[in-house]
This record gives sequence, structure tokens and C-alpha cells, in this order.
Amino acid sequence: DAKTTQPPSMDCAEGRAANLPCNHSTISGNEYVYWYRQIHSQGPQYIIHGLKNNETNEMASLIITEDRKSSTLILPHATLRDTAVYYCIVRVANRGSTLGRLYFGRGTQLTVWP
Amino acid sequence: GAVVSQHPSRVICKSGTSVKIECRSLDFQATTMFWYRQFPKQSLMLMATSNEGSKATYEQGVEKDKFLINHASLTLSTLTVTSAHPEDSSFYICSARSGPEIGELFFGEGSRLTVL
Repeated sequence: DAKTTQPPSMDCAEGRAANLPCNHSTISGNEYVYWYRQIHSQGPQYIIHGLKNNETNEMASLIITEDRKSSTLILPHATLRDTAVYYCIVRVANRGSTLGRLYFGRGTQLTVWP
Repeated sequence: GAVVSQHPSRVICKSGTSVKIECRSLDFQATTMFWYRQFPKQSLMLMATSNEGSKATYEQGVEKDKFLINHASLTLSTLTVTSAHPEDSSFYICSARSGPEIGELFFGEGSRLTVL
């Protein structure tokens, strides 16, 4: 079971910020929020993850609400190549042998248009 | 980053035949690999965890006799779809860990199976 809810689709103009929301109201205290994306007919790509603090890397920023019941992935300057399905996943632990056991929901199809 | 490669990327086979898909970690060793299946316009579904030197662990509802997994070396896991039928047509994706951190989990490019 995916414990997250995401809008099925979103559009964004090229060069603008894309803000992708995710609801995870039943998240437990030891569960992280992970974001992956999947460009059409390719394997998923890791984007970012966080526990409770906001995070930023070269790809995106992750904003987690104080109650941790929702989060937003921000692509600051979307490009056409960012068109993909974005998956928000919550799971325990950041390490361990079961790390690769990810349960994907339906994700959000982000379309970036020129 | 680390690279996970799958082969073949596309395969078409006749109903009733068996098809083997390979997943290789190209520049790291992986004691654990994971196999997913994705039907058109649907999300990825975890099928099984492939463990080097031991039996795979299958998710509930996945037939282990139908989907044979072998992880004979630290860089190779294979998924064999036995007696394939058209409903087995899908996109099969593997992943492997190069380390303990979430950023060290890498996915292959996927293998599209079409069963006629």
C-alpha cells in the first residue's frame, strides 16, 4: 500500500518553478519521505529525501510541513526534460538491506511545456 | 553515479516460452537486487528481493514458480518468466544498492516484454 496521495497530473511552464504536493497524513515518526521520478520508459531516478527538515540538492528542494503530514517537491526552474512521473514514497529507515523495497503509488505526471 | 544495466531492453516472445532478463551492476557489487513490474499507465509493483547466494524473497501474490530469480554473483541477478502468456507482457525493472544510503539505490533502464 502506498501511504501517499498525489495529484494525478500537473502542468508547468518551462523556466518556472514546479511545486509537486504529496499528502502523507499517516506518516510515522520514523518514516522518511522520498521522491523519485520516472521519465517515460526508463527506470526511476532518485531525487531527494527528508525526515522533518527541509532539504535541498542540485536537483530539487523538499519542503516538509511541521506536522509532517504533507510535503512539496520543488523544481526551481523546470525544463522540458523534467517531464516525468514523480513519485512520493514514505518508508521507515534510511539504511539496511530492505532499503530497495519501495512501494510506489500512482505518482504525479508532470508535463513541462515550452 | 553507479550504473545498473538490464538486458534485453526489449523482447518479444511466443506464448508458452520462457524469457530471461538480466540485471547487472556495472561498477559495484550488490548483494541485494530488486525486481519490479510495471503495466502500462500504472505504477511500479515490487515483485521480489533477489539475494546473492540464497533464495529470493517474493512479495505476496507473486508466483515464485512463474518468476524465477537467480542471483548467482554479486553483479548479476536474472529474472526468468516461465511459460510466458500475454498477460505477462509488461515493463520489468530491477534495482540494486551500491551502499546503505537511499541515494545509493539505482534502477536499471527496464526491459519491455511482449508476449504474443
